[in-house]
Amino acid sequence: AQSVTQLDSHVSVSEGTPVLLRCNYSSSYSPSLFWYVQHPNKGLQLLLKYTSAATLVKGINGFEAEFKKSETSFHLTKPSAHMSDAAEYFCVVSELGGWTGNQFYFGTGTSLTVIP
Amino acid sequence: DVKVTQSSRYLVKRTGEKVFLECVQDMDHENMFWYRQDPGLGLRLIYFSYDVKMKEKGDIPEGYSVSREKKERFSLILESASTNQTSMYLCASSRPPGQGPEQYFGPGTRLTVT
Repeated sequence: AQSVTQLDSHVSVSEGTPVLLRCNYSSSYSPSLFWYVQHPNKGLQLLLKYTSAATLVKGINGFEAEFKKSETSFHLTKPSAHMSDAAEYFCVVSELGGWTGNQFYFGTGTSLTVIP
Repeated sequence: DVKVTQSSRYLVKRTGEKVFLECVQDMDHENMFWYRQDPGLGLRLIYFSYDVKMKEKGDIPEGYSVSREKKERFSLILESASTNQTSMYLCASSRPPGQGPEQYFGPGTRLTVT
C-alpha cells in the first residue's frame, strides 16, 4: 500500500537559513513523488516532481528535493529561507491506478514558519 | 497555464440543505478530483472521474455525490449538508497517463454548515 509520512508537522526557521522538510514514503512500485505548497486560504501549487528521471529535482522558488530509494525518502530543501516561503507543504506519492490515471496519496502536511 | 476554477471561495449553508460545489478546468483534462482538507488530516479523496459520466469513489464518499456531464466541469453535491461536512473542498484535474501525472488544483471552497 502507498503512504506518505511527513516527519514534522511544524518547522520554524530564521530568514536566510536553510530549510529542510522531511518526507518518507512507501510504495509497491516505482513511485512518482511531488511536493506542493499551499499559502493561507489558497489552493495547492506544484513545487516540484520526481518521475524516475534525475534523482535530484529542482523546483520553483529555489526549492529542490532528492529521491533516495534506499531510504524511501524525498526531503525538500532550500538553501536560504525567505519570508514568502511561510506556508503549508505537502509531500505526495502517486501510483498508476486501476483506472486510466494516477491516484495521489498525501502526507498530512508540514507548516513552515519563517522568523524575521 | 492550466486553470482550475471553483464557483465559490466561501459558502455558508444550513444543516439539511442541498449544496452544489462546481469546478471547471480549461485544459481539456480527462481526470478530475474532489478532495476535502481538514487540519491534521491532510487531503482526503472524496470522488474522482476519468471521463465524462464516469465516476469512482475515493476514500470518503459517504454523504457526497458527483456529476460530470461535460468534460470541463465536475460537480460535488452534498445531498443533505451536515455540520461534520464543514471543511475546505479542493478540486483538481490531471492529464491522461503518459502526459504527466501531476494534478492541478483550484483555489478551494471553504464551506461552513451551521
